[in-house]
Amino acid sequence: KAGVTQTPRYLIKTRGQQVTLSCSPISGHRSVSWYQQTPGQGLQFLFEYFSETQRNKGNFPGRFSGRQFSNSRSEMNVSTLELGDSALYLCASSLVPTSGRYEQYFGPGTRLTVT
Amino acid sequence: SQQGEEDPQALSIQEGENATMNCSYKTSINNLQWYRQNSGRGLVHLILIRSNEREKHSGRLRVTLDTSKKSSSLLITASRAADTASYFCATASSNTGKLIFGQGTTLQVKP
Repeated sequence: KAGVTQTPRYLIKTRGQQVTLSCSPISGHRSVSWYQQTPGQGLQFLFEYFSETQRNKGNFPGRFSGRQFSNSRSEMNVSTLELGDSALYLCASSLVPTSGRYEQYFGPGTRLTVT
Repeated sequence: SQQGEEDPQALSIQEGENATMNCSYKTSINNLQWYRQNSGRGLVHLILIRSNEREKHSGRLRVTLDTSKKSSSLLITASRAADTASYFCATASSNTGKLIFGQGTTLQVKP
């Protein structure tokens, strides 16, 4: 099976712009979670989607949003980018919502740099 | 705040030695998981230990869980240079279900 894929792998944006990141889960996986990783804050949970519905959300401002399509592919959007949004954005998939009960399979991440 | 806190933050050992990393958490959990990350890449799942288990093995990995102390440890035996990576513990609160990662331990194994 192909692993979790994320596009693009690298992205450079300017403050104030918006960005959309894409994640394709492992075939058959219906749950997709997003994480932000920075040197200062570490790995932080953004949100989790299952069957096109947001099941859980982390403590991020409303500028961060996401969605999931019927084929389980997911996108996350960040509007009005700030310098502090520079991070590695990781997507993870699992068969069903994890709630910590099941392992997640991570993609390689999208490295976003905001200048 | 992070659910899991890891100790030490960094560890440097020689090939062949054992490496031990510790994780502490704050609330009641369903399970605890350990992941590895190589230099800014995606995470790889290593092992999941359920809240009713005390110890689990997988190859050269040994994980223990002490729910009374809200702590876990990961032992890597006979380390190899390829084990050089960051190791994270992750827990999900029984209440919220959100998976929360610790700050990680950076392990360097010198050949």
